[in-house]
Amino acid sequence: DSGVTQTPKHLITATGQRVTLRCSPRSGDLSVYWYQQSLDQGLQFLIQYYNGEERAKGNILERFSAQQFPDLHSELNLSSLELGDSALYFCASSVTSGGADEQFFGPGTRLTVL
Amino acid sequence: KNEVEQSPQNLTAQEGEFITINCSYSVGISALHWLQQHPGGGIVSLFMLSSGKKKHGRLIATINIQEKHSSLHITASHPRDSAVYICAVRSTSGSRLTFGEGTQLTVNP
Repeated sequence: DSGVTQTPKHLITATGQRVTLRCSPRSGDLSVYWYQQSLDQGLQFLIQYYNGEERAKGNILERFSAQQFPDLHSELNLSSLELGDSALYFCASSVTSGGADEQFFGPGTRLTVL
Repeated sequence: KNEVEQSPQNLTAQEGEFITINCSYSVGISALHWLQQHPGGGIVSLFMLSSGKKKHGRLIATINIQEKHSSLHITASHPRDSAVYICAVRSTSGSRLTFGEGTQLTVNP
């Protein structure tokens, strides 16, 4: 158990819908990262937050957005869902935003868009 | 060409065999991670290294910064080692990870 929690574990929804994925980092970790793992693209970095502020952006679609709240939990919002958004979504956390920190991964949310 | 290349893509071994998975990268990095992903999907961080060698139980990870290459070794492999092993690098310009495509390891009893 990494100490990072994600909810829900599974999510099944329809095209065009909007969903919210939630991540709680390890106690004391200020940085949260979101990653997407799809069959055709593998694991890809989406976005990073550090202490409530966006720190880095990767291959995140405009239909997706994220935020980190004062209690440091983070939410990833996916809207106007398409079939291709079906994937495993992981969050990870680390103590700081620096390159020397290990990242600890949550169990993931499996999103299926029908 | 991907920034992170792993080989082999698939590996089947008999229990007890010594296993090596390779990772080559093309960018400057501050750290390299080896991750393990089991069929259930969860990702476990095995090693984070920026130089030299680390050992944890039957697992050994090495990195050669000059050659931009890392290896993950598993000694005395066991069926429970069956998983996908993923190499990921953290660039010098930030903390995001860039991932290899993974190596599917199957260890048969």
